Amino acid sequence: AQKITQTQPGMFVQEKEAVTLDCTYDTSDQSYGLFWYKQPSSGEMIFLIYQGSYDEQNATEGRYSLNFQKARKSANLVISASQLGDSAMYFCAMREGQGQGAQKLVFGQGTRLTINP
Amino acid sequence: ETGVTQSPTHLIKTRGQQVTLRCSSQSGHNTVSWYQQALGQGPQFIFQYYREEENGRGNFPPRFSGLQFPNYSSELNVNALELDDSALYLCASSFDGEQYFGPGTRLTVT
Repeated sequence: AQKITQTQPGMFVQEKEAVTLDCTYDTSDQSYGLFWYKQPSSGEMIFLIYQGSYDEQNATEGRYSLNFQKARKSANLVISASQLGDSAMYFCAMREGQGQGAQKLVFGQGTRLTINP
Repeated sequence: ETGVTQSPTHLIKTRGQQVTLRCSSQSGHNTVSWYQQALGQGPQFIFQYYREEENGRGNFPPRFSGLQFPNYSSELNVNALELDDSALYLCASSFDGEQYFGPGTRLTVT
């Protein structure tokens, strides 16, 4: 079974600094997808970034980048120039299953990020 | 393009009662997944519906059931509610992999 591990329950960072949120995964599948979601206190899961297991380049989306190290089975999220609005829970997730429809996400326990002014 | 919507936003039920939660998928999405997120935890997969058929189920008892309608909207039904069912219930719709989440329904069982 697939598993996602986020070892940082909480992170505190000064505004405008970069921050790295750790994520390691365990799977025997060759094809898989890795996601990062942001969950503010309102509860909605906001998609941030996606990395496919066969993608050779690290994914980037604006201030978000994913440091994908396949051999180490890690998929760390890097947020550059952090902002106060980045304060939230962050979840790493892996897509399990193949083909249309037969897919579910397996989530880690999350990291609570707090940006200090 | 309308995003994923869920109703109700909040709900309080008594142990032993039944509850129905609703989800409208994003336009063009034919797959709906339901997740349960207990306080302080990551979401746990309940089940998924693809073209009106259940297409995968997590480790949840049969009292958790669902439906998907021809317009791809979906319902989650929970019978014989237990205190541990108190959680945020998230619905996500997708067409070809990437899942978009709704705002969730917060269920409290007393």
